[in-house]
Amino acid sequence: GQNIDQPTEMTATEGAIVQINCTYQTSGFNGLFWYQQHAGEAPTFLSYNVLDGLEEKGRFSSFLSRSKGYSYLLLKELQMKDSASYLCAVSDSNYQLIWGAGTKLIIKP
Amino acid sequence: ETGVTQTPRHLVMGMTNKKSLKCEQHLGHNAMYWYKQSAKKPLELMFVYSLEERVENNSVPSRFSPECPNSSHLFLHLHTLQPEDSALYLCASSQELAAGTDTQYFGPGTRLTVL
Repeated sequence: GQNIDQPTEMTATEGAIVQINCTYQTSGFNGLFWYQQHAGEAPTFLSYNVLDGLEEKGRFSSFLSRSKGYSYLLLKELQMKDSASYLCAVSDSNYQLIWGAGTKLIIKP
Repeated sequence: ETGVTQTPRHLVMGMTNKKSLKCEQHLGHNAMYWYKQSAKKPLELMFVYSLEERVENNSVPSRFSPECPNSSHLFLHLHTLQPEDSALYLCASSQELAAGTDTQYFGPGTRLTVL
């Protein structure tokens, strides 16, 4: 079956760095997405990786290793507003998105 | 504001009621989606429409009935729901369906409670 694994919850300190991991087992691969979802709000797009390596976008970076079925989202200089759930999703061979359950990130002062 | 709106934002209904959820996208996209989001569970894809044609129905019970009158509007009609159907229902749209790598833009969701 198809499966996306990510930690349920993580806690980090304001100003620090946090890495949220995602591992996947899917039938085919057409890219991996990261979305951010604040409580009670819509998920919003953060990044898309289809090739191996690191994509940097401001304070956020996303890494992909297709051979390992692994990705991570790296958040630097954490701010209180980064408290949210982070969703990992993989586009499979049918171009259907397979979603992880999300990682709730709690930022403490 | 993502360009996708949903109404109502909150809905409480009894098991014998009939209600409808509405989604509208102002992005000129051709594909629209209904998802169910339950606490601590992955997003579940319910229905997919491309250019007003339903292309995906992931074994969703018949008490959920979608309607897509045009490429900008999507409805989810609800009848005789069960308490386990209580969840956040999210609508999303993307430019095209065939290119599944297109970013999906989500609405804020409807929080549904079935009593």
